[in-house]
Amino acid sequence: GQQVMQIPQYQHVQEGEDFTTYCNSSTTLSNIQWYKQRPGGHPVFLIQLVKSGEVKKQKRLTFQFGEAKKNSSLHITATQTTDVGTYFCADSPNFGNEKLTFGTGTRLTIIP
Amino acid sequence: GAVVSQHPSRVICKSGTSVKIECRSLDFQATTMFWYRQFPKQSLMLMATSNEGSKATYEQGVEKDKFLINHASLTLSTLTVTSAHPEDSSFYICSARDRRGTYEQYFGPGTRLTVT
Repeated sequence: GQQVMQIPQYQHVQEGEDFTTYCNSSTTLSNIQWYKQRPGGHPVFLIQLVKSGEVKKQKRLTFQFGEAKKNSSLHITATQTTDVGTYFCADSPNFGNEKLTFGTGTRLTIIP
Repeated sequence: GAVVSQHPSRVICKSGTSVKIECRSLDFQATTMFWYRQFPKQSLMLMATSNEGSKATYEQGVEKDKFLINHASLTLSTLTVTSAHPEDSSFYICSARDRRGTYEQYFGPGTRLTVT
């Protein structure tokens, strides 16, 4: 079956440094969604990318979808303590009643 | 934004007993809800897809007789862990998709189950 891997598994950065997590799929992704899960919390939707090569920005967060739709990345500029959490990518099907396939996640910790 | 609630947030039960977890969409209707299990520091593992008015679809390796799912209305799905064992201890999270067709999944706050 499909495998969605993320690297790195863990990342510790000094506050103010940049952070990037990479998402790679064994098969072509339909659409890619990104979620953030704070420690002890539940996943919260960040964004969905649909088109090959698409780039979207949300303030300090930049999301990219690979040209071949087999990978994606999330880049955070100048991290803040509020960015702490685990970031998951997920393959999102085109139809509403179909399941997400979550990546393995990248846990980000910030050193103040 | 859309809100999904789960009840209870934490539950401790003894081996052999059954536990029911409720998942409700509070301000939207969901024809489809999803149940996940998450072990510490790991990703979400989809257990089953709950469809309103029909049988749930279980993922490979998930025992349907042990994890009973009922989606009786457009705002409520329940997961019952039957004859619970310590290895069933985990964080259970539900999510729901708005029937109006938005692609976003809204997650509940999760239920921490501990079986002693």
